[in-house]
Amino acid sequence: GAGVSQSPSNKVTEKGKDVELRCDPISGHTALYWYRQSLGQGLEFLIYFQGNSAPDKSGLPSDRFSAERTGGSVSTLTIQRTQQEDSAVYLCASSWRSGGAQADTQYFGPGTRLTVL
Amino acid sequence: DQQVKQNSPSLSVQEGRISILNCDYTNSMFDYFLWYKKYPAEGPTFLISISSIKDKNEDGRFTVFLNKSAKHLSLHIVPSQPGDSAVYFCAASDSGGYNKLIFGAGTRLAVHP
Repeated sequence: GAGVSQSPSNKVTEKGKDVELRCDPISGHTALYWYRQSLGQGLEFLIYFQGNSAPDKSGLPSDRFSAERTGGSVSTLTIQRTQQEDSAVYLCASSWRSGGAQADTQYFGPGTRLTVL
Repeated sequence: DQQVKQNSPSLSVQEGRISILNCDYTNSMFDYFLWYKKYPAEGPTFLISISSIKDKNEDGRFTVFLNKSAKHLSLHIVPSQPGDSAVYFCAASDSGGYNKLIFGAGTRLAVHP
């Protein structure tokens, strides 16, 4: 079966432009997560979806960041008016479910490398 | 405020020897811990995990040890192989209804022949 896929793999944009990053989770996975990794840093949680709902958006750095998920599958992360500090690798992960006493394994996509000039 | 810390940015080990990667955490609510391995230009790959009810979990060459009183966990790789060369991330989660992962900054392991 296919793993988590993300597109584009690389995106170079000019400061002030909007970008959309796409994530296709593993089929049947109900939970979907967005993280980002800035240079030399660990992965930073952005937002989590359970189905089409986003119970936790606490990691979104500003109101320029938004995300949606449709049909319980594909998710899009949108960054408006990009800034240079938004440059990072944006990673998507999915898992079967969430909650309970034990975390389910999150499977990651290859990421989208965003460069804001 | 880093809740998960990997204080060694890099580690170099000879092939066949043991690699020990360390991780410390500050949040006592964490009850599930994971190690991920990451190669360049790829997403992190799940390696091994441990629940807070255990102090050791083993899977082949990989063993994770958890010391709750010290809020410390470690990953042992024995024997180390050149293909193990990658960045290793420690991650933690609580059971607050979902499993958002909090990651450390990673340790780059180099296994040389």
